[in-house]
Amino acid sequence: AQTVTQSQPEMSVQEAETVTLSCTYDTSESDYYLFWYKQPPSRQMILVIRQEAYKQQNATENRFSVNFQKAAKSFSLKISDSQLGDAAMYFCAFSNNAGNMLTFGGGTRLMVKP
Amino acid sequence: KAGVTQTPRYLIKTRGQQVTLSCSPISGHRSVSWYQQTPGQGLQFLFEYFSETQRNKGNFPGRFSGRQFSNSRSEMNVSTLELGDSALYLCASSPIPRQGPYEQYFGPGTRLTVT
Repeated sequence: AQTVTQSQPEMSVQEAETVTLSCTYDTSESDYYLFWYKQPPSRQMILVIRQEAYKQQNATENRFSVNFQKAAKSFSLKISDSQLGDAAMYFCAFSNNAGNMLTFGGGTRLMVKP
Repeated sequence: KAGVTQTPRYLIKTRGQQVTLSCSPISGHRSVSWYQQTPGQGLQFLFEYFSETQRNKGNFPGRFSGRQFSNSRSEMNVSTLELGDSALYLCASSPIPRQGPYEQYFGPGTRLTVT
């Protein structure tokens, strides 16, 4: 079984600044996928970014990028030029190749200060 | 394209009753997954259905069951409700990729309160 740990229950960042959310995971599998999902208050969860474990290159999506360290089993999310709309719960998630079954971390609540 | 819809959005039930929640996936999506979200346990996977078959199952008691219809709509049922079943139940749909899991599109959830 795999586990996902997010050690920062809450983070805050000043608008326009950069913030990094941490995530570590534990698995014995070699083929897997990692995700960051965003859940705004009272709104639907949406995918922020996805990383395939077999890819060495870190994924980027506009202001969002990851630092994927496979050996260390670390998968952090960097948000650049933070905006008020980035305020949300962020969940790190793991999935193996067996289907659409996500294992989530406990989440990090991100607050953005104007 | 319409997003994932879940009905009802809010539900209040009494301990011992049973409940059925419904999920309509995005058109063309054939995989539907269910998750339970609580403050104490976080987000936990319940089960995944694909082509009317349960493809994956999480670690929940047999009181939790589901099914999928030929149009990919899915229902989940919880029998003999307990106070601890109070949660936000999220449904997510996904197209079936050629390789690996794909992005899951989440619905707004059904907020179940058991009294």
